[in-house]
Amino acid sequence: EAGVTQFPSHSVIEKGQTVTLRCDPISGHDNLYWYRRVMGKEIKFLLHFVKESKQDESGMPNNRFLAERTGGTYSTLKVQPAELEDSGVYFCASSLGREGTEAFFGQGTRLTVV
Amino acid sequence: GENVEQHPSTLSVQEGDSAVIKCTYSDSASNYFPWYKQELGKRPQLIIDIRSNVGEKKDQRIAVTLNKTAKHFSLHITETQPEDSAVYFCAASNPNTGFQKLVFGTGTRLLVSP
Repeated sequence: EAGVTQFPSHSVIEKGQTVTLRCDPISGHDNLYWYRRVMGKEIKFLLHFVKESKQDESGMPNNRFLAERTGGTYSTLKVQPAELEDSGVYFCASSLGREGTEAFFGQGTRLTVV
Repeated sequence: GENVEQHPSTLSVQEGDSAVIKCTYSDSASNYFPWYKQELGKRPQLIIDIRSNVGEKKDQRIAVTLNKTAKHFSLHITETQPEDSAVYFCAASNPNTGFQKLVFGTGTRLLVSP
């Protein structure tokens, strides 16, 4: 069974451009999470979907970030316009969501804004 | 909100030695504490977790201990091997804010030298 997959693995864009990251969760996982790790710091929560609904988006930095999960399957995270401080590794994770179940992470998308 | 601190940031040991990584958390309502291992270029993977109703859990060469009173938990790796080299993240979650809305520490880079 495929794990959580993320595209692209790397992205280098100029300040002011737009980038869209994609996450395909494990099939059947209703819960999908986005996290971000800025160089040398902790992995920080961005938001949580349950199926297609945003359960918690308290970690989203600002309104330049837009996450969607149409149909409750894959999710996209768009950054528009990108700023230098948006550079980091963006992780997606999915889980069945019941207490005691593991959150499975993707390999991440390394975003570099220059 | 929850805050997790992790020490040390880097740890170098000789093969066969033990390694200990310590984390403290601030929210006394947190009750789930997973540890993730991220090898270079790979996804974070859960290696062990502990819930607040137990004080210690072991799985072969790794163990985790939890002190609820002091609000700290530790990862212990015995008989370290070069393949244990990776970045290790501790995390905590509070069921009241989302069971798998994980709050991570800043990570510990473990290097095991042959």
